[in-house]
Amino acid sequence: EVQLVESGGGLVQPGGSLRLSCATSGFTFSNHWLSWVRQAPGRGLEWVANIKQDGSLKYYLDSVKGRFTISRDNVKNSLYLQMNSVRAEDTAVYFCTRDQQGPRLYQVDDWGKGTTVTVSS
Amino acid sequence: QSVLTQPPSASGTPGQRVSISCSGSSSNIGTNTVNWYQHLPGTAPKLLISSNNQRPSGVPDRFSGSKSGTSASLAISGLLSEDEADYYCSAWDDSLNGHFVFGTGTKVTV
Repeated sequence: EVQLVESGGGLVQPGGSLRLSCATSGFTFSNHWLSWVRQAPGRGLEWVANIKQDGSLKYYLDSVKGRFTISRDNVKNSLYLQMNSVRAEDTAVYFCTRDQQGPRLYQVDDWGKGTTVTVSS
Repeated sequence: QSVLTQPPSASGTPGQRVSISCSGSSSNIGTNTVNWYQHLPGTAPKLLISSNNQRPSGVPDRFSGSKSGTSASLAISGLLSEDEADYYCSAWDDSLNGHFVFGTGTKVTV
């Protein structure tokens, strides 16, 4: 069974930093693209960033470029999101996802239950 | 801001058929495959339809997807109370160096 368990969320002040982690099991970690997706209170799903199997390619939502960094550890089977210079609009539940990528295809196959990030003074 | 536009809401009575549209552009739906997700508040979203019209194992055949040009749609037939949820379309977008996008979401009420 595929499992994705996020941690590291919490209350952070505007301009501060936070590091989210996602521990995974039940699949061959190094074979998959992975993403972070968020949902702000009362809003829809918003993709934040993703990373290729070997970490050589990363894509980011425009509003987080230069502030957030996605990374992975293929030995520890873990995904990370370093969040710097956070803003109130980054307040959301952050989901870790296991993805599938191919020619003209990208999809999120599995989701964690999410971790909540609240940016407030 | 999402570049995939969905109606904010849809509704039906048990047993009816509901259809949700997803409007995009040539850089996303027009080029790449579309997926649909079901999301009940407080839970992890679930992949409902992949590659425009494929149902993953375990998804009832009451759910079906289609795509034409730069638009896609999700149909739910034989509506059940348990289908009351938020539904999102998604696709890879080749513009701006590439990024993944979700639709604006549709709340289905039974």
